[in-house]
Amino acid sequence: DGGITQSPKYLFRKEGQNVTLSCEQNLNHDAMYWYRQDPGQGLRLIYYSQIVNDFQKGDIAEGYSVSREKKESFPLTVTSAQKNPTAFYLCASSPRGRENNEQFFGPGTRLTVL
Amino acid sequence: AQSVTQLDSQVPVFEEAPVELRCNYSSSVSVYLFWYVQYPNQGLQLLLKYLSGSTLVKGINGFEAEFNKSQTSFHLRKPSVHISDTAEYFCAVFGQGAQKLVFGQGTRLTINP
Repeated sequence: DGGITQSPKYLFRKEGQNVTLSCEQNLNHDAMYWYRQDPGQGLRLIYYSQIVNDFQKGDIAEGYSVSREKKESFPLTVTSAQKNPTAFYLCASSPRGRENNEQFFGPGTRLTVL
Repeated sequence: AQSVTQLDSQVPVFEEAPVELRCNYSSSVSVYLFWYVQYPNQGLQLLLKYLSGSTLVKGINGFEAEFNKSQTSFHLRKPSVHISDTAEYFCAVFGQGAQKLVFGQGTRLTINP
């Protein structure tokens, strides 16, 4: 079955620690995205990548970093510089960075900072 | 730049009643419009999308939406809702030449028996 997987589903972190969220897709999609979701605020774009070895900042990139070494993988690191990291994180992909293509979403990772 | 406003943060309705979730957008260029549904603690699933052509778009689970260019709206409707429709619904817009999808704040649909 093709799809997007995110792991882990739940993640707990102590303040001051970096943590990496995994996102893998086997849909052969070129473009991948990371969103942050907070109650009542919809989805906000953190980073996106339209091709391997290239990525762009979204609206709230501060305190986050990404890499795109493989087409299938787009991991997100939440650094200690992110002051309020507790949130639900969603990864998505699309066949290409074209505007009329649907974005397919993973099941999400809920990060809680203790 | 594009923006999306979902006019209701919460919509409670009774089972088998009709429902309309409202979405307005702002853009200086032509747009592509999407509605997504999110069940609790899950990712988003596409309900329907408007790219071009007929302004009435039919999606999954009996939902439909109508693109109204003059009113810059893309309201989502269902003639008879079920308990299983309880979820959060997101409207999103992609402007021609843009590089990202812009989401509204979401509308939480609650179905009461």
